[in-house]
Amino acid sequence: ILNVEQSPQSLHVQEGDSTNFTCSFPSSNFYALHWYRWETAKSPEALFVMTLNGDEKKKGRISATLNTKEGYSYLYIKGSQPEDSATYLCAFPLGYGGSQGNLIFGKGTKLSVKP
Amino acid sequence: NAGVTQTPKFQVLKTGQSMTLQCAQDMNHNSMYWYRQDPGMGLRLIYYSASEGTTDKGEVPNGYNVSRLNKREFSLRLESAAPSQTSVYFCASSELVYNSPLHFGNGTRLTVT
Repeated sequence: ILNVEQSPQSLHVQEGDSTNFTCSFPSSNFYALHWYRWETAKSPEALFVMTLNGDEKKKGRISATLNTKEGYSYLYIKGSQPEDSATYLCAFPLGYGGSQGNLIFGKGTKLSVKP
Repeated sequence: NAGVTQTPKFQVLKTGQSMTLQCAQDMNHNSMYWYRQDPGMGLRLIYYSASEGTTDKGEVPNGYNVSRLNKREFSLRLESAAPSQTSVYFCASSELVYNSPLHFGNGTRLTVT
């Protein structure tokens, strides 16, 4: 059974702190690794889709790295702001072609940023 | 562009009742998906449609049927609702390429009593 693990489950930081969290996924049959940001009462929004080992992607203060050989990805947030408060999900597709959206999601890391 | 639109936003059903959740996307995406979100669980795939005319089961298909009506629309039907189907349902769409992200609708909160 394929499993995607995220840690920590939740994180409380002060405004201005930098933080990071981890996603672990199966290292075999790798196609891509997705990161989504999910604010309360909204729907998940894609942050990154990463496909290459060693890949690093950045969007404003948020960046992510990928290690496909050992099966992990890190998400970093630099100088956290209250508006960064959300649950961050990673997901691993079971295939490609029509199956690329057949994603196994982790349970997420819930980030709370205190002003 | 509206993106992915789901209706209804909220629904309460009694056990045994049926209903259809509607989903439409205006991004010309080939692939569409239905996920459910339960407390303490990750999003889980119910059914997906890789392209118009095809549908496949996901991780938790029991108790559901789907119809890909055309390229834009993908509906999810509960024939005989059960309390275990109380959940938040999300429709999503994506392009038919391996590195395409999912675009989610705003969700339907369903309660079965």
